[in-house]
Amino acid sequence: ETGVTQTPRHLVMGMTNKKSLKCEQHLGHNAMYWYKQSAKKPLELMFVYNFKEQTENNSVPSRFSPECPNSSHLFLHLHTLQPEDSALYLCASSQAAREGGEQFFGPGTRLTVL
Amino acid sequence: KNEVEQSPQNLTAQEGEFITINCSYSVGISALHWLQQHPGGGIVSLFMLSSGKKKHGRLIATINIQEKHSSLHITASHPRDSAVYICGSSDKLIFGTGTRLQVFP
Repeated sequence: ETGVTQTPRHLVMGMTNKKSLKCEQHLGHNAMYWYKQSAKKPLELMFVYNFKEQTENNSVPSRFSPECPNSSHLFLHLHTLQPEDSALYLCASSQAAREGGEQFFGPGTRLTVL
Repeated sequence: KNEVEQSPQNLTAQEGEFITINCSYSVGISALHWLQQHPGGGIVSLFMLSSGKKKHGRLIATINIQEKHSSLHITASHPRDSAVYICGSSDKLIFGTGTRLQVFP
């Protein structure tokens, strides 16, 4: 595997379910990001991790819970989501956070909350 | 008003046409990112530039830091260029809503 991978690619869940999104990067980067992309809206930064430490939480509701066990893996744990949380969730990585470096994106997880 | 604005929002072209997509931003940035997103969602980084001009194949990106403006040009457009093109700040991590380009044969 090369680049940034995400699983699952598609996820449908009810509002009472608990699920997790997974991201893995094979680029040796130190920073990883979660973005949300809703229809007709810009890419919206959710969380930033730099050297496994969360450095930014962009006022994300607590029903989204990130986890970064090491520099290569990033999870987004989901619980009691709302229908408006339906979106494309993208993971990205870069050499270091917020240093203007190029970001590499995964294919995204298309999430539908019923 | 978004801090990063793109125009046009939608663009259609005939194969072979020269295409320009514009990006204006109101915040100070150190570098600007141009991204390409195909149907299905995957995003590919096209350019990252902090000054001047970069060229890759039929794609050219320019930036004027003083005017806070960047342009993405596609020469000899092709149907496979159909995608959403997104610009954004690679340090502030804020992005425009994208320009949806459709190139018809």
